[in-house]
Amino acid sequence: NAGVTQTPKFQVLKTGQSMTLQCAQDMNHNSMYWYRQDPGMGLRLIYYSASEGTTDKGEVPNGYNVSRLNKREFSLRLESAAPSQTSVYFCASSEARTLALSGNTIYFGEGSWLTVV
Amino acid sequence: KQEVTQIPAALSVPEGENLVLNCSFTDSAIYNLQWFRQDPGKGLTSLLLIQSSQREQTSGRLNASLDKSSGRSTLYIAASQPGDSATYLCAVKAVWDSNYQLIWGAGTKLIIKP
Repeated sequence: NAGVTQTPKFQVLKTGQSMTLQCAQDMNHNSMYWYRQDPGMGLRLIYYSASEGTTDKGEVPNGYNVSRLNKREFSLRLESAAPSQTSVYFCASSEARTLALSGNTIYFGEGSWLTVV
Repeated sequence: KQEVTQIPAALSVPEGENLVLNCSFTDSAIYNLQWFRQDPGKGLTSLLLIQSSQREQTSGRLNASLDKSSGRSTLYIAASQPGDSATYLCAVKAVWDSNYQLIWGAGTKLIIKP
């Protein structure tokens, strides 16, 4: 029962380096999300994908790009990492194509701890 | 803009006590409200979901209430146990930028002392 799997779990980057966070879900969900969690703040949505082939910006998209490779996978890329991107990143998925539908349950991965020095 | 606040940020109580966690939101136009649990180094797990037309939901020792008019929700935990120690987050589903999204509180870190 894998659910939502994120890799890597921990990563240290130097300012200006690039990296990609990988996320995969095995629940045949339509929607996938990338959030960041910072101390003292709620989760903030970076990007989301309501279906394969579509992506949309969330609240804090600057400095990030995403790719919905197929229905299972949704990756987050930092092209030129900055210290302000030090955070815990969570991937999530839900069955509905839009959060407007149903009392959907959203499932989360275990998080990726990213430090940019 | 919808904002969600959880006070206090941290709470420590002895085992066996009943306790209440608070969540407030600024705009009553919400679709639903969810309570989540987050364990250290883990993802979030949904505990209870209350639709906007409902007043409360119960699951085992947990009871969540919703008062849209006052912009408040509470999570009541009965007979607390050390295993309840975790961070509890609430999130409202509301319209953001022409789409429904989850808007999150920062969480309350709960410690249950044996």
